[in-house]
Amino acid sequence: AQTVTQSQPEMSVQEAETVTLSCTYDTSENNYYLFWYKQPPSRQMILVIRQEAYKQQNATENRFSVNFQKAAKSFSLKISDSQLGDTAMYFCAFLDSGAGSYQLTFGKGTKLSVIP
Amino acid sequence: ETGVTQTPRHLVMGMTNKKSLKCEQHLGHNAMYWYKQSAKKPLELMFVYSLEERVENNSVPSRFSPECPNSSHLFLHLHTLQPEDSALYLCASSPSSYNSPLHFGNGTRLTVT
Repeated sequence: AQTVTQSQPEMSVQEAETVTLSCTYDTSENNYYLFWYKQPPSRQMILVIRQEAYKQQNATENRFSVNFQKAAKSFSLKISDSQLGDTAMYFCAFLDSGAGSYQLTFGKGTKLSVIP
Repeated sequence: ETGVTQTPRHLVMGMTNKKSLKCEQHLGHNAMYWYKQSAKKPLELMFVYSLEERVENNSVPSRFSPECPNSSHLFLHLHTLQPEDSALYLCASSPSSYNSPLHFGNGTRLTVT
């Protein structure tokens, strides 16, 4: 069974600064997907970024980028130029890429506060 | 417009009540999901439907009964719940039932008294 660990329950960052959220996972699979979701106070979970394990290049989406270390089973999220709207819970998630795999395994989340 | 709409937004019910949660997706997706989000716990997958057929039931108690009449609508019928069932219930959809990112609704905050 896969597990996802987010070791930082809460973090804060000054507006316009950079912050990194950590995520590690445990799996015996070689092919899989990793995701970061954001859940603001509105409660809707929003996909921030996605990484395929077979791709060596780290995914980027505007101010969001990941540091994917497959051997270390690490998948951290870097938020650059933090904005007040980035305040939210951030969840790391794992998905096995095998056929019939539909169960995302989530971490417990990191609460990020962006301070003006 | 999130693409996935959940109603009601909040629900308070007694342990002997019967209520239903509704989810509707406007994205043309083929798979729909129910997740339970409790404080300080990872999201728990409850049910998955693919093309209106249930493909996963993660050992959820029978007091939770899902219904998927078509690919756009998903219900969660609640009956004789317990206080520990109080949580945020999230509906999600995806283009297919595997390897696809999920699109979530805003959730229903359920309180069982």
